[in-house]
Amino acid sequence: QQQVKQSPQSLIVQKGGISIINCAYENTAFDYFPWYQQFPGKGPALLIAIRPDVSEKKEGRFTISFNKSAKQFSLHIMDSQPGDSATYFCAARGGATNKLIFGTGTLLAVQP
Amino acid sequence: KAGVTQTPRYLIKTRGQQVTLSCSPISGHRSVSWYQQTPGQGLQFLFEYFSETQRNKGNFPGRFSGRQFSNSRSEMNVSTLELGDSALYLCASSLGGGFGNTIYFGEGSWLTVV
Repeated sequence: QQQVKQSPQSLIVQKGGISIINCAYENTAFDYFPWYQQFPGKGPALLIAIRPDVSEKKEGRFTISFNKSAKQFSLHIMDSQPGDSATYFCAARGGATNKLIFGTGTLLAVQP
Repeated sequence: KAGVTQTPRYLIKTRGQQVTLSCSPISGHRSVSWYQQTPGQGLQFLFEYFSETQRNKGNFPGRFSGRQFSNSRSEMNVSTLELGDSALYLCASSLGGGFGNTIYFGEGSWLTVV
């Protein structure tokens, strides 16, 4: 119940295309869903986050879509750029704690 | 505003030794969490400290321990190191008590056990 399942494991997108990464969870107590971007040798950097009372959140080229009934959420990267090539992690957190449960990560390669 | 600072960034230890890693959270943040990242297991939660008290603990053996000081700075210690402890250890800080608080990560400490 504590798992967050992430797919795909890797993704290749052409420059200017849309990158889509999906995550699913089981625990309905989760109430905060962030996405992190990680470059090699660096720590994860927060990209965007959403709460379950919102179905979509957009920040620049990054959009989270959230489906509470299906217990799924996804990250869309519009107009993907080579600089977006990194590993992306979804995560979930519940209640009065800062324990994040992470997905297994998606390695995104944007080809020029 | 300075981010989460971790020291040392890189270190090599021998099996059986112990190691202490340090984390300075973002100014004003009272919650500090630690994560282990490996290629095989991904990002796994170690423990969280809030106002000097351990609030949550992951599924790691007792060789992994931590503490938080009154200025919110935190240390984690791994005793009797094993080869499998080689990993990137990440510290994360947040304002406080969960719900809605953004969690920020440091660059991590790369530990190699030989």
